Amino acid sequence: QKEVEQDPGPLSVPEGAIVSLNCTYSNSAFQYFMWYRQYSRKGPELLMYTYSSGNKEDGRFTAQVDKSSKYISLFIRDSQPSDSATYLCAMSRTGFQKLVFGTGTRLLVSP
Amino acid sequence: SQTIHQWPATLVQPVGSPLSLECTVEGTSNPNLYWYRQAAGRGLQLLFYSIGIDQISSEVPQNLSASRPQDRQFILSSKKLLLSDSGFYLCAWTGTGGSEQYFGPGTRLTVT
Repeated sequence: QKEVEQDPGPLSVPEGAIVSLNCTYSNSAFQYFMWYRQYSRKGPELLMYTYSSGNKEDGRFTAQVDKSSKYISLFIRDSQPSDSATYLCAMSRTGFQKLVFGTGTRLLVSP
Repeated sequence: SQTIHQWPATLVQPVGSPLSLECTVEGTSNPNLYWYRQAAGRGLQLLFYSIGIDQISSEVPQNLSASRPQDRQFILSSKKLLLSDSGFYLCAWTGTGGSEQYFGPGTRLTVT
């Protein structure tokens, strides 16, 4: 079993839809959670960074962490065609120098 | 602000040839540095990470090596490329004690 599981998609939605992207993990020691957006042939870009449980909002993006269920989510409101990309979740333990990544979910937002 | 550079952006090399990819970070000091490979349609594979000059850890036994000649410079090398070395190579950095990593633009390597 992988430490981090992420549905590869693709997830296809119409413009304006609310998108929910998710990851599950097995290591209860993870404390730091990140979401990256990666456009085709580009490096990943850090979107959201949260520590421990709870929600964090930044514009149209909301990151949610449920440590009791070992489940994290990224919500995108009013999705745009420019949101079409691969979204990677990542997480790490306190004091640990390395991230564990999901394999990414490809999102397609059609106009 | 901090920026991270990688070059070259693309590279086509024959099997058996050497490789040198360079990564530099500006606007910070003592960064942790990372090399990843991303094969087509697959996740990120950590190859090497470094928490300081002369402190490089290898994650996967392979045909590659890494060096850190300066605090903010990280180099990925190979003496003889294999077909399986093809992929998208990404460099990343994080501040001391930080968890979030920031990625460079990547180098797309095709071994023919």
